[in-house]
Amino acid sequence: GENVEQHPSTLSVQEGDSAVIKCTYSDSASNYFPWYKQELGKRPQLIIDIRSNVGEKKDQRIAVTLNKTAKHFSLHITETQPEDSAVYFCAASPNAGKSTFGDGTTLTVKP
Amino acid sequence: GAGVSQSPRYKVAKRGQDVALRCDPISGHVSLFWYQQALGQGPEFLTYFQNEAQLDKSGLPSDRFFAERPEGSVSTLKIQRTQQEDSAVYLCASSFEGHGYTFGSGTRLTVV
Repeated sequence: GENVEQHPSTLSVQEGDSAVIKCTYSDSASNYFPWYKQELGKRPQLIIDIRSNVGEKKDQRIAVTLNKTAKHFSLHITETQPEDSAVYFCAASPNAGKSTFGDGTTLTVKP
Repeated sequence: GAGVSQSPRYKVAKRGQDVALRCDPISGHVSLFWYQQALGQGPEFLTYFQNEAQLDKSGLPSDRFFAERPEGSVSTLKIQRTQQEDSAVYLCASSFEGHGYTFGSGTRLTVV
């Protein structure tokens, strides 16, 4: 089955700096890669996603890149703000069905 | 409804007790998923429905876990003879074809 590894497990940045979270996956059948943000005690929320026919996608301060050959994808947050502090999960799935999640990255943005 | 609704929000069960967790997905969402999330970890897949058909139940930890979605809408996850290792947050998610998940708020199950 699919295996998703996520790094780093914790990340601390100064407000205004950029943050990068990286994930690798193992199953070449995976073609849909969503990212979720989970604030403490709340539900995970979809923030951005990318499909395997696209190499990069951007939405305001958030961007995701995908290298299908190397089987890795990354989340980039620019101009970080304290409200970006949360746990971020990457996931991989075939045809947006069952998703396999990474173990999460706890991002702390210091004011 | 506007979002995915789960109930109860919290459940405390004595070891050996049976529990039933309910999920009401977004209207029109064909796909429904159950995940188990332990503290400090990512969600772990349990089972997946497309309409009323359970297409994948490979993540259910044991035969004490059972899920159903008889009319293709509301789903129930049942855990029989609960054990301490079942303590976790159980997340339900629904999705429209080809799109990411909308999660419910989860049910936090504590087995004492």
